[in-house]
Amino acid sequence: AQSVTQLDSQVPVFEEAPVELRCNYSSSVSVYLFWYVQYPNQGLQLLLKYLSGSTLVKGINGFEAEFNKSQTSFHLRKPSVHISDTAEYFCAVSWGGYQKVTFGTGTKLQVIP
Amino acid sequence: DGGITQSPKYLFRKEGQNVTLSCEQNLNHDAMYWYRQDPGQGLRLIYYSQIVNDFQKGDIAEGYSVSREKKESFPLTVTSAQKNPTAFYLCASKATETQYFGPGTRLLVL
Repeated sequence: AQSVTQLDSQVPVFEEAPVELRCNYSSSVSVYLFWYVQYPNQGLQLLLKYLSGSTLVKGINGFEAEFNKSQTSFHLRKPSVHISDTAEYFCAVSWGGYQKVTFGTGTKLQVIP
Repeated sequence: DGGITQSPKYLFRKEGQNVTLSCEQNLNHDAMYWYRQDPGQGLRLIYYSQIVNDFQKGDIAEGYSVSREKKESFPLTVTSAQKNPTAFYLCASKATETQYFGPGTRLLVL
């Protein structure tokens, strides 16, 4: 069965420091990869997505992610975080031609002033 | 403004009562989804619909029902058979492989 793993449930980081949120998925043929952000009591907002092409994807709010097929990973990075980045981040994967999307369990990013 | 709306924002259910959560989209998307979110468990798929008058069960469909009579609307009914309904419910629609989410409805049990 397809699966998505976000190993870190919480990541504390100081303001202006870099951050990496990890995401691994079970191997398969073609995949589509997504990162979403959720602020308290709100829906999910799309940060970035990989459908094809360049493996380095840039998104909103200064985030980027790199698709690594050999390691089946899609880690999210930001070089310098702000207080406003405090939120929960979800990695999601859909496998080509399949209507369902599988979500990871989420990583709470806590930015410390 | 194009988007997905969910109502109400908060909903209270009494014992043995059925309640219906609304989801409307004006994005002209064919596919729509309902997810349940519980702390620490991510999103779990309840039902999805790829086209009008058609829908499929997700991973946790028991105690829930849906209809898809119009492209824009995909309401979710939480029935009395759902014994643990307290959760945050998210509706989404999908185009070109990407899902877009509504603001959510929080269901609480009295």
